[in-house]
Amino acid sequence: NAGVTQTPKFQVLKTGQSMTLQCAQDMNHEYMSWYRQDPGMGLRLIHYSVGAGITDQGEVPNGYNVSRSTTEDFPLRLLSAAPSQTSVYFCASRLTGDMNTEAFFGQGTRLTVV
Amino acid sequence: AQRVTQPEKLLSVFKGAPVELKCNYSYSGSPELFWYVQYSRQRLQLLLRHISRESIKGFTADLNKGETSFHLKKPFAQEEDSAMYYCALDSVGSSYKLIFGSGTRLLVRP
Repeated sequence: NAGVTQTPKFQVLKTGQSMTLQCAQDMNHEYMSWYRQDPGMGLRLIHYSVGAGITDQGEVPNGYNVSRSTTEDFPLRLLSAAPSQTSVYFCASRLTGDMNTEAFFGQGTRLTVV
Repeated sequence: AQRVTQPEKLLSVFKGAPVELKCNYSYSGSPELFWYVQYSRQRLQLLLRHISRESIKGFTADLNKGETSFHLKKPFAQEEDSAMYYCALDSVGSSYKLIFGSGTRLLVRP
């Protein structure tokens, strides 16, 4: 049982490059989200989606794009990488319809922008 | 605005000592609160949720609406409890967003 799968695990980018972080889940969860984890700042929500075709901005959306063409996949795109985007990125999914559902996380992507 | 505050970045205790990880929240309605844990080299995972009133790995958390707190407690810490702990709040309405605090690193010394 795969759960939430993120790729790649590690990435180094040069300033100005673009890339896509992949996230897939096999639990048929409607809700998916992206967080970044920075020391002393916890997990901050970048973008989220409550179903295919529906996305919305979180707390820190600037510099990132998302799309949700299928229930399973929720890629995060960095349009023009900046050193401030150096972080660990986590994808999460959960069922909707109940406010107390558990969120399942991917193993994270450690991104360094030089 | 919804907000979760974890005032301690690091909590260091000796094995067998009691542990209390603090979490305060701001929320206008009836909050739904969670504790998530991240052990070294593992992914973030749910530890417990307040509505279940459960004890997981010896940890408990009680919602105190008067003090707007949801502190995580364990009477006797174990070395394997060393991890990063995050308090989280479910968002208002139907967006299903989880709002996380900044996290507390618990270090249990032998």
